[in-house]
Amino acid sequence: DADVTQTPRNRITKTGKRIMLECSQTKGHDRMYWYRQDPGLGLRLIYYSFDVKDINKGEISDGYSVSRQAQAKFSLSLESAIPNQTALYFCATSGGDIQYFGAGTRLSVL
Amino acid sequence: KQEVTQIPAALSVPEGENLVLNCSFTDSAIYNLQWFRQDPGKGLTSLLLIQSSQREQTSGRLNASLDKSSGRSTLYIAASQPGDSATYLCAVPLISNFGNEKLTFGTGTRLTIIP
Repeated sequence: DADVTQTPRNRITKTGKRIMLECSQTKGHDRMYWYRQDPGLGLRLIYYSFDVKDINKGEISDGYSVSRQAQAKFSLSLESAIPNQTALYFCATSGGDIQYFGAGTRLSVL
Repeated sequence: KQEVTQIPAALSVPEGENLVLNCSFTDSAIYNLQWFRQDPGKGLTSLLLIQSSQREQTSGRLNASLDKSSGRSTLYIAASQPGDSATYLCAVPLISNFGNEKLTFGTGTRLTIIP
């Protein structure tokens, strides 16, 4: 089983819809992250959490919210999806210098 | 603001050749630098991490170097194989009071090894 599991793997939704991307990890780490990847722009940090009670905005948090339901679970929500949120989304976790990534969720907003 | 650049964006080489991937960063005050590999549908995998006090780190056919003063790192792949085909990204952490884990990524080099 993967250390970091993201669901769904692919999602197509319509503008204005609320959508949640889920992430769970079995590494036992406190720190979790959400990134988005766009062609030509690399990965950019959306939100990060150092423990269940510590959630912080990253570089591009506008239009997104997160919930850290437990040490192992960190979900990302788009309250009202828009087409420029079409991207590949990654969740990651770390307990030190190295970050471990999930396989990604490809989201398309029509 | 830290900026990380990887050139070229894509590279194709015949199998068996040695190759070098480049990464440059604008702020030399970094704790470490990581190289990742990204395969389609499989996310990112950390390949090598070089601490700021190190100049090189090796793992199998991979060797990463770091020159903080010039803001550069290279990833050397020896005797390339078709299985090395992937996108390679470098990343450096943003130094903050909370530690060094908020990463800034380069845009990656898409490597294709031609059999």
